[in-house]
Amino acid sequence: GAVVSQHPSWVICKSGTSVKIECRSLDFQATTMFWYRQFPKQSLMLMATSNEGSKATYEQGVEKDKFLINHASLTLSTLTVTSAHPEDSSFYICSASEGLGEQYFGPGTRLTVT
Amino acid sequence: DAKTTQPPSMDCAEGRAANLPCNHSTISGNEYVYWYRQIHSQGPQYIIHGLKNNETNEMASLIITEDRKSSTLILPHATLRDTAVYYCIVTRSNTNAGKSTFGDGTTLTVKP
Repeated sequence: GAVVSQHPSWVICKSGTSVKIECRSLDFQATTMFWYRQFPKQSLMLMATSNEGSKATYEQGVEKDKFLINHASLTLSTLTVTSAHPEDSSFYICSASEGLGEQYFGPGTRLTVT
Repeated sequence: DAKTTQPPSMDCAEGRAANLPCNHSTISGNEYVYWYRQIHSQGPQYIIHGLKNNETNEMASLIITEDRKSSTLILPHATLRDTAVYYCIVTRSNTNAGKSTFGDGTTLTVKP
């Protein structure tokens, strides 16, 4: 089956620093990648949709200057949380799609901002 | 995308069939029903999807009513490892239409 990886799996950073999370599709080309955030005991919340070679489309309420998304190739998308604050602590999950409705999810990255 | 409604929680005895319902009464003609599950602290896992016909794969069966306003995911022989949150999502299945809205899902607990 299709495999999506994320790196790192967990990260602890200090308030005010930036953190980059990578999402890779390992055995297929992902025309579209999605970034989600999930707080404890809550559902996944879509942050943005990213198509290879174009700017990401952000959901309402998500600051594009704070959550920088780059989808430079058909197998790699990155999410950079800039000037992180404790309220950004969350579980960040990416998914990749070959262009159909089916999404393949990464294992998630747990971010803790101290 | 159409909104879905699922019961917040369900229990199932190990070895028995788990039947998870989902209502999607506002589904439109070109929208598919997708099911994912999320085991604690992991990324969601794709299970199955369908348009109007019933579908079966190695993980589960999907039964969609004739009017397409509801569906049921069936895990034929639930195991303890099937304990997870199950999400029913409706989305179009064509290019650049994979954006999905996740509701609260159903927390399935399989008990020994």
